[in-house]
Amino acid sequence: NAGVTQTPKFQVLKTGQSMTLQCAQDMNHEYMSWYRQDPGMGLRLIHYSVGAGITDQGEVPNGYNVSRSTTEDFPLRLLSAAPSQTSVYFCASSRRSGTANTGELFFGEGSRLTVL
Amino acid sequence: GQQVMQIPQYQHVQEGEDFTTYCNSSTTLSNIQWYKQRPGGHPVFLIQLVKSGEVKKQKRLTFQFGEAKKNSSLHITATQTTDVGTYFCAGPGSGNTGKLIFGQGTTLQVKP
Repeated sequence: NAGVTQTPKFQVLKTGQSMTLQCAQDMNHEYMSWYRQDPGMGLRLIHYSVGAGITDQGEVPNGYNVSRSTTEDFPLRLLSAAPSQTSVYFCASSRRSGTANTGELFFGEGSRLTVL
Repeated sequence: GQQVMQIPQYQHVQEGEDFTTYCNSSTTLSNIQWYKQRPGGHPVFLIQLVKSGEVKKQKRLTFQFGEAKKNSSLHITATQTTDVGTYFCAGPGSGNTGKLIFGQGTTLQVKP
């Protein structure tokens, strides 16, 4: 049972380069999201999706793009990497909960990105 | 915008001492969730509280949801070295879209 799979686990980029962080889940979850984690800042929501073809911005969306062509996949694209995007990125998914629409989040193992 | 604040940011305790982290929201929450992240790991779901004044226990961990549903706490009795990690609270974002807004987390270190 794979759960939420993120690749790559580690990546070093130069300023201005682009790259895509991959995220896939095999639990048929409707909801997927991307967070970044920085020291002292907790987990900040970048983008999220409530289903295939639907995405929306979170707290810190600038510099990132997402798409959701299938239920399983939710890639995060950095268009032109900047040192401020050095962080640990987590992908998460959940089933929509009946009353509150916020089910338990299942996280991937994280992708550590360094931008030089 | 909506904010979820957590205190303290760090806590060092001697093994066997108790530990509490507090979570406060700028808005009323329909529910609150708690997660634990071990060093170098990813956040793992602990519990969800839904009802006003709710108290739930998991072995040495006690979770409370405030009467006004704007605050919550996690209390660990007699800490052990296995309790080391960062504890996050999280509340639903606006718009009932399923998104969760996390607090900054409390990092617990336990001295054996």
